[in-house]
Amino acid sequence: SAVISQKPSRDICQRGTSLTIQCQVDSQVTMMFWYRQQPGQSLTLIATANQGSEATYESGFVIDKFPISRPNLTFSTLTVSNMSPEDSSIYLCSVEEVRGAKNIQYFGAGTRLSVL
Amino acid sequence: AQSVSQHNHHVILSEAASLELGCNYSYGGTVNLFWYVQYPGQHLQLLLKYFSGDPLVKGIKGFEAEFIKSKFSFNLRKPSVQWSDTAEYFCAVNPGNTDKLIFGTGTRLQVFP
Repeated sequence: SAVISQKPSRDICQRGTSLTIQCQVDSQVTMMFWYRQQPGQSLTLIATANQGSEATYESGFVIDKFPISRPNLTFSTLTVSNMSPEDSSIYLCSVEEVRGAKNIQYFGAGTRLSVL
Repeated sequence: AQSVSQHNHHVILSEAASLELGCNYSYGGTVNLFWYVQYPGQHLQLLLKYFSGDPLVKGIKGFEAEFIKSKFSFNLRKPSVQWSDTAEYFCAVNPGNTDKLIFGTGTRLQVFP
């Protein structure tokens, strides 16, 4: 499976600031995804990032708050803007590998964000 | 709305005990089903998957899961757990012709020697 690297692995930020999380894959992938895992909760999809097009956001998530870039087939960034303590979460990047008709998502290690 | 339910939030077992973790989903169409595992301090890893065919699928480390379409379930099983199975387990569903994964809330498994 693809090797996915996320940076930073963790950060502590002040409210009102922004943090950009990077996701690097060791192979070219079409589909990349960003998830959020709030404390004690499951993973929730924020958006799907395809190279060469605007990210597609899920209900409850907006581009102004979570702008995403996808400049090429191996890299994506997620920015958490104007942060508040409610944004404290683990943010995960995933990539989709297609094997025949079977699509499987693999995950990065995540970025643990604490907002003070 | 599509959802995935994992009824066991926290399971505590002794080594060699049998394990079954429940997973139910709400979606009437074709689904692909997954179990992911997150060991302490590690990233989410794929444990096993179901796309089609034999509803009993085998994964890594002796885990298996059974897809029962009539019950909208995909329960995870292991006949004899080990201390190293201590982890959080997530059921996930990929509904229809989408790329989205919908996750359950996770089950925290603690295995004591």
